[in-house]
Amino acid sequence: NAGVTQTPKFQVLKTGQSMTLQCAQDMNHNSMYWYRQDPGMGLRLIYYSASEGTTDKGEVPNGYNVSRLNKREFSLRLESAAPSQTSVYFCASTKSGLAGNYEQYFGPGTRLTVT
Amino acid sequence: AQTVTQSQPEMSVQEAETVTLSCTYDTSESDYYLFWYKQPPSRQMILVIRQEAYKQQNATENRFSVNFQKAAKSFSLKISDSQLGDAAMYFCAFITGTASKLTFGTGTRLQVTL
Repeated sequence: NAGVTQTPKFQVLKTGQSMTLQCAQDMNHNSMYWYRQDPGMGLRLIYYSASEGTTDKGEVPNGYNVSRLNKREFSLRLESAAPSQTSVYFCASTKSGLAGNYEQYFGPGTRLTVT
Repeated sequence: AQTVTQSQPEMSVQEAETVTLSCTYDTSESDYYLFWYKQPPSRQMILVIRQEAYKQQNATENRFSVNFQKAAKSFSLKISDSQLGDAAMYFCAFITGTASKLTFGTGTRLQVTL
């Protein structure tokens, strides 16, 4: 039981390049999330998927797209990377699409630098 | 808008002493859940403790306890008998009964000294 896994752990991109961050969970969770963490800003929600087949924008969606490939996998794509997207990205999952009292389980994070 | 405020960017505590981290939040909903997450240097986000708003009793988990003041919209974390391994960033977060996403505060960096 690996929990939430993310690849890659580190990535350096040049401005304008594209890439996809991969996330997978093996806990049969319904909901999955992508956050970015910047110094002094806490975690901000980029996109989330309350259940398989649905995705919704979070607080900071501009410049990103997501795909809920199946129940296990939720990817985040940067089509044309910008220096402002330099951040640490976390994927998370939770059992229910509703608030409940279900803990969000986080992946180890991806440190992305855009030069 | 739902917001979480952590007014202490940094705190320091001596080993074996007690420290309290503050958190206030704002929501118009009555059904919600509150969390404290710990983020050590490894970056891994670890759930420390949770509190359901409908419960009057304050949650406790070993050395960690909360002081939940619903009317004041306050949710502070008390760490007793602090240990070196408690040094980390601590994030307060909440989720409402109608939403499916957490709102995080900006975090408090806790330093534990000998």
